Amino acid sequence: QSVLTQPPSASGTPGQRVTISCSGSSSNIGSNTANWYQQLPGTAPKLLIYSTNKRPSGVPDRFSGSKSDTSASLAISGLQSEDEADYYCATWDDSLSGLYVFGVGTKVTVL
Amino acid sequence: QVQLQESGPGLVKPSQTLSLTCIVSGGSIKSDTYYWSWIRQPAGKGLEWVGRIYSSGYTDYNPSLKSRVTLSLDTSKNQFSLSLRSVTATDTAVYYCARASGWVFENGMDVWGQGTTVTVSS
Repeated sequence: QSVLTQPPSASGTPGQRVTISCSGSSSNIGSNTANWYQQLPGTAPKLLIYSTNKRPSGVPDRFSGSKSDTSASLAISGLQSEDEADYYCATWDDSLSGLYVFGVGTKVTVL
Repeated sequence: QVQLQESGPGLVKPSQTLSLTCIVSGGSIKSDTYYWSWIRQPAGKGLEWVGRIYSSGYTDYNPSLKSRVTLSLDTSKNQFSLSLRSVTATDTAVYYCARASGWVFENGMDVWGQGTTVTVSS
């Protein structure tokens, strides 16, 4: 049971905009920036967004991140077939002695 | 560019110790910019952070695993290792090593190994 809540699934047709939410608390998203990872089937996760809204080199600008209070969001605009993957939010949690926590993951399906 | 490669036994018996190594190439593990982490993922499930180690040897562990986990560095071989004691079937997972930066990982885990599958079974 993760401390970060994500919807289990999201879907859209090619070209549509899809948004994934990540709900946390004051000890994690409320205190720290959020990261997002994309995991294609059978592969290692890939960093998609860091520091809430920054994209690593090579990540298309169709992907964007934002945060409000204790929730973070990932938006995929102009959805493409290759975006079909699992998406995980993550952040540092200041409770206990501190740890990095991942959301439960959201499966994005391109219809 | 930096690459990470996990290695270790694919099968471990219950109650024994799981030991994995992550070989770092294309960069130095002694860099003071990065933390080196282990993450695991049971089949069909989500990601779980195991712990991190810094070039100084400083470590942080997931509280849920802290009593059984040790991370270590071998700077002469440019690699870091995971030791997980008293394993049970619930420790069966794909284990990834990764590089992260920022004290609270604000810059994310930008380099990952391909992952290695470890099964705990007699």
